[in-house]
Amino acid sequence: AQTVTQSQPEMSVQEAETVTLSCTYDTSESNYYLFWYKQPPSRQMILVIRQEAYKQQNATENRFSVNFQKAAKSFSLKISDSQLGDTAMYFCAFMKRDNYGQNFVFGPGTRLSVLP
Amino acid sequence: NAGVTQTPKFRILKIGQSMTLQCTQDMNHNYMYWYRQDPGMGLKLIYYSVGAGITDKGEVPNGYNVSRSTTEDFPLRLELAAPSQTSVYFCASSKTTGELFFGEGSRLTVL
Repeated sequence: AQTVTQSQPEMSVQEAETVTLSCTYDTSESNYYLFWYKQPPSRQMILVIRQEAYKQQNATENRFSVNFQKAAKSFSLKISDSQLGDTAMYFCAFMKRDNYGQNFVFGPGTRLSVLP
Repeated sequence: NAGVTQTPKFRILKIGQSMTLQCTQDMNHNYMYWYRQDPGMGLKLIYYSVGAGITDKGEVPNGYNVSRSTTEDFPLRLELAAPSQTSVYFCASSKTTGELFFGEGSRLTVL
């Protein structure tokens, strides 16, 4: 079974600085997808960034980028120029397709606080 | 687009009562999911569906039931509510590319 680990339960960063959130996963699959989701205090989950395992190039979305190390099974999220609105829980998620559909596994989350 | 709509947003139940959480999506997604999120924890899969008429159990299905009579709707039924079912419930749907779209969540308290 796949597992997703986020080793940092809580982190904080000063506004305008850069922070990196860690995520590791365990799988024997070769083809899968990885995601970072953000859950602000409003509670709704929002997709931040998505990476397909067969793509070597790291995904980037504006101030958000990932460092995808397939061999090490690592998928960290870098937030540049942190803003107060980035304060949220961040969940790393793994997805593979099987005969039963799309199987998602979520990590326990990292609570990020952006300080003014 | 409305996306994924869940109702109600809040509900208090007494032990032993039953209720249905409604979920509707207007994106024509085949895949739909119900998750629960306990305080300070990640998401645990309750049930999922790969299309109308097809449902299957996730990690924590006990005490719940689902149905999927249409592509749009995926209601979650709680039978004989217990305090252990106090949680926030999220409905989600996904495209074939894997991106999940979540509803706003339903906070359920069982007293």
